[in-house]
Amino acid sequence: DTGVSQDPRHKITKRGQNVTFRCDPISEHNRLYWYRQTLGQGPEFLTYFQNEAQLEKSRLLSDRFSAERPKGSFSTLEIQRTEQGDSAMYLCASSRSGTGELFFGEGSRLTVL
Amino acid sequence: AQKVTQAQTEISVVEKEDVTLDCVYETRDTTYYLFWYKQPPSGELVFLIRRNSFDEQNEISGRYSWNFQKSTSSFNFTITASQVVDSAVYFCALSEGNYGGATNKLIFGTGTLLAVQP
Repeated sequence: DTGVSQDPRHKITKRGQNVTFRCDPISEHNRLYWYRQTLGQGPEFLTYFQNEAQLEKSRLLSDRFSAERPKGSFSTLEIQRTEQGDSAMYLCASSRSGTGELFFGEGSRLTVL
Repeated sequence: AQKVTQAQTEISVVEKEDVTLDCVYETRDTTYYLFWYKQPPSGELVFLIRRNSFDEQNEISGRYSWNFQKSTSSFNFTITASQVVDSAVYFCALSEGNYGGATNKLIFGTGTLLAVQP
């Protein structure tokens, strides 16, 4: 499968713990995005990278959230000191610059107890 | 401010009926892009179409068609002869700017859940 892959697909954690999600984009795509989706809502933009540079961050991304894409390939999204409000589906997408077509992964569902 | 409104929360139709999903957008940019994505129960968002603000031609792809009207800021999506496999949540989205400089940051609506009954 050469699509966008995300790991883990499901994560249950206790409040206050740290969690990390990984995204492997389509190999020839230089842009990578993170979105968050809560029940009954559309995805909300969190941040995006062009190659290894993080070019934009939403104000939704508090200081407890950090994203990296160290070699311009896979990316990680870490949430520190999780809160119940962080429970959501975290979606990763990738694209080639100039195409405007984002390919999404199946998401990582986080449940904070 | 950018905003996408999908007023229809849920629609239920019987197989073979035609159905139209509404999308209204707000933007101050003159250059922007509109998208439709499908999210089946598996959760993965599937790209359906992209339209730029300079191209108001309607588009047809098989049973799918899209009606873009700048005068009413609408980008509606019609499925002809619906099938059970069309059951999913459909999202309309907006991206401002041009591809060279734009972030491709998508602003999504809240989605319309389409249930096609056999």
